[in-house]
Amino acid sequence: AQSVAQPEDQVNVAEGNPLTVKCTYSVSGNPYLFWYVQYPNRGLQFLLKYITGDNLVKGSYGFEAEFNKSQTSFHLKKPSALVSDSALYFCAVREQSGGSYIPTFGRGTSLIVHP
Amino acid sequence: GAVVSQHPSWVICKSGTSVKIECRSLDFQATTMFWYRQFPKQSLMLMATSNEGSKATYEQGVEKDKFLINHASLTLSTLTVTSAHPEDSSFYICSAREIGQERRTEAFFGQGTRLTVV
Repeated sequence: AQSVAQPEDQVNVAEGNPLTVKCTYSVSGNPYLFWYVQYPNRGLQFLLKYITGDNLVKGSYGFEAEFNKSQTSFHLKKPSALVSDSALYFCAVREQSGGSYIPTFGRGTSLIVHP
Repeated sequence: GAVVSQHPSWVICKSGTSVKIECRSLDFQATTMFWYRQFPKQSLMLMATSNEGSKATYEQGVEKDKFLINHASLTLSTLTVTSAHPEDSSFYICSAREIGQERRTEAFFGQGTRLTVV
């Protein structure tokens, strides 16, 4: 079984400040981890993924995420937030082997960047 | 690459009518497409897995007679909400998986369809 927890419904940050959106996961084996962003009335856009190798993953729009196996976390970060980053962010996990290759999504975290 | 298109982006229909939503893979062939439903401020709920040339696999609790899924070709899957009621109002999103890329890690999504039943 696989699951994802995004403990924060909403994250507020001032423009120019660093941002963190938290994600923890649970899988039976090794994970594939993903972050997606959703703008209002739009589908999900892929931001970045962790498969293997370097724990720090860089993705689109200046976002990055750090895989921490001991803490089973994959927090999304950005050094300097933009107002245009305001959106809904989803973390997802999938087991690397076996199963149906269907990811499980977290409940989403609304990021609000204030000017 | 890996562009998934949904149509329409939004639709308003009267209670009791049926609505068809299309999901197309524009630059690849997809043996499998997934249909999700998203409630306001909630995560995606997987409704069904659509397989080309065969019957869809529905998740527990999803009424297969209400949400008809057809995957007639390698680039098109359709979701028909039959006899729609206001409680069917929601945001529906599809996702497609490319042939031969079943192990591909990330999923690609359509832009979603906002259904409002009045």
